[in-house]
Amino acid sequence: DAKTTQPPSMDCAEGRAANLPCNHSTISGNEYVYWYRQIHSQGPQYIIHGLKNNETNEMASLIITEDRKSSTLILPHATLRDTAVYYCIVRDHGSSNTGKLIFGQGTTLQVKP
Amino acid sequence: EPEVTQTPSHQVTQMGQEVILRCVPISNHLYFYWYRQILGQKVEFLVSFYNNEISEKSEIFDDQFSVERPDGSNFTLKIRSTKLEDSAMYFCASFAGQGPRTQYFGPGTRLLVL
Repeated sequence: DAKTTQPPSMDCAEGRAANLPCNHSTISGNEYVYWYRQIHSQGPQYIIHGLKNNETNEMASLIITEDRKSSTLILPHATLRDTAVYYCIVRDHGSSNTGKLIFGQGTTLQVKP
Repeated sequence: EPEVTQTPSHQVTQMGQEVILRCVPISNHLYFYWYRQILGQKVEFLVSFYNNEISEKSEIFDDQFSVERPDGSNFTLKIRSTKLEDSAMYFCASFAGQGPRTQYFGPGTRLLVL
């Protein structure tokens, strides 16, 4: 699975959009970009995933660049409850893939009042 | 909404004792996982389990660890002889087995080895 690079920390004002970047320059054509978050030692929580098209769900939007070498997770109206560590993970869906997730250090997002 | 549950939420044990951590994955999910997170460190993969056998394990998952699916609902992690360095949060996760590789995590068990 391709390696990802994320800034260690970011701040965001409550009510504003939080834009969390992720670099995955070695991503291959069949690898998806997944985002999870972990709120204060709770179990990681799935947010969103995508292959090449931009995706949106009730939690967030995922913007993937055309060359797929980077992506941005957007929380449109961050709240204090969005304070968490956000993980960008790249992986393929091949049948030989056991599905394990490899977590990096992620980005600690601090939403401030 | 279905969720992964784990018991106990906290476990304190003496070094050398055996512990069993329990998980109930989401019904109809086929893949099961254990991860651990030592305080202040990143989440680490331990083992994946599919079709009643281990499909992959990490270097951390040595002979002191074992997993079992004793019935149709529970998934357990046993540590035979706990060490101080086994103190960590242990997370169970499950995945449906088809489609996106979305894993659903339980709330974790905090294990403290004294």
